[in-house]
Amino acid sequence: DAGVIQSPRHEVTEMGQEVTLRCKPISGHDYLFWYRQTMMRGLELLIYFNNNVPIDDSGMPEDRFSAKMPNASFSTLKIQPSEPRDSAVYFCASSILTGNTGELFFGEGSRLTVL
Amino acid sequence: AQSVTQLDSQVPVFEEAPVELRCNYSSSVSVYLFWYVQYPNQGLQLLLKYLSGSTLVKGINGFEAEFNKSQTSFHLRKPSVHISDTAEYFCAVSGTGTASKLTFGTGTRLQVTL
Repeated sequence: DAGVIQSPRHEVTEMGQEVTLRCKPISGHDYLFWYRQTMMRGLELLIYFNNNVPIDDSGMPEDRFSAKMPNASFSTLKIQPSEPRDSAVYFCASSILTGNTGELFFGEGSRLTVL
Repeated sequence: AQSVTQLDSQVPVFEEAPVELRCNYSSSVSVYLFWYVQYPNQGLQLLLKYLSGSTLVKGINGFEAEFNKSQTSFHLRKPSVHISDTAEYFCAVSGTGTASKLTFGTGTRLQVTL
């Protein structure tokens, strides 16, 4: 069974450009999470969805960040316009139960570099 | 809200030696506790979790952890490490309410050498 699939694995872009990161969760999982990992701040939860509905977006850093989940098998995280401080590894994770009791399955991450 | 502190950012150890990675949590309510491992250029994967019951939890790859409520700790141990255990290890905590979110520690880099 395929795990969580993220694309692109690596993205290098220039400041001001739009960035779209994509995620395909594991089939049958009804929770989807977006995390950001940096050396300075560690692993931060940005937003999570339940049954395609955003439940908590309090971790989204600013209005430049937006996330959507149009169906159960696809989610996007968009940054517009991007800034150098957005450089990080962005992880998508999915689970059957909420993260507090169930196991989160992580994708391999999308490494974003904004020049 | 819950928080977790991993006391060591790096732990160097020789192969076949025992290791303990320390984790302390803070919470005013009951908690669930987790250890995740991240190998280079990969996502995190669950090692073990404590939800309730026995305070000694066994996970994959020979790891185990003990929940100590009085000391608010959840230290990870392995009696004999292997080179392949070299990775970043994250402790995580959540409240027991269904709306609780998982909060990760800053990670401990375990470096196993010959």
